[in-house]
Amino acid sequence: EDQVTQSPEALRLQEGESSSLNCSYTVSGLRGLFWYRQDPGKGPEFLFTLYSAGEEKEKERLKATLTKKESFLHITAPKPEDSATYLCAVQATGTYKYIFGTGTRLKVLA
Amino acid sequence: NAGVTQTPKFQVLKTGQSMTLQCAQDMNHNSMYWYRQDPGMGLRLIYYSASEGTTDKGEVPNGYNVSRLNKREFSLRLESAAPSQTSVYFCASSDRRRTSSGNTIYFGEGSWLTVV
Repeated sequence: EDQVTQSPEALRLQEGESSSLNCSYTVSGLRGLFWYRQDPGKGPEFLFTLYSAGEEKEKERLKATLTKKESFLHITAPKPEDSATYLCAVQATGTYKYIFGTGTRLKVLA
Repeated sequence: NAGVTQTPKFQVLKTGQSMTLQCAQDMNHNSMYWYRQDPGMGLRLIYYSASEGTTDKGEVPNGYNVSRLNKREFSLRLESAAPSQTSVYFCASSDRRRTSSGNTIYFGEGSWLTVV
């Protein structure tokens, strides 16, 4: 069964304290892995799409990487405005469905 | 460019009442989705439409119906609302083609539904 597990559930960082969020997945074949940011009261906002192991993408303080079993979202020198819930999702080959993890709630303290 | 637009943003229903959530996308996407999001449960797929004219059940379809009105619009109907359907509902769309942002799924801002 296709499955996505995110860890940790919650993370508190001091401003400038770099860290990584984990997304482990199990799919029969990966069509794409997606990272989103979700602020309270808002819809998920697209961050990155990764397609194959070894791929990396960056945007400001965020960098997403992908292996055959997991993806990491690295946050370098975070700021309070990076506080949000970060969601990971996968789409398996041959399907239109997207499977989401339950997210990591990130709080960055000034 | 509005992306995915949902209405209404907030709604309170009494048990047994019916209502329809409306969704429209302006990205010319083929596929559209309805998810619900509950604390600790993540986003769960209710129904999806791979392309105009087709709809399929997702993970939690009971108590819901959908209509893919045309390529742009995909509505979700609660025929007889129950308190267990209190949730945040998100409509989303994606393109089947693998372009630079590929088959990325894009979300609306959500509809907060309370059933009392």
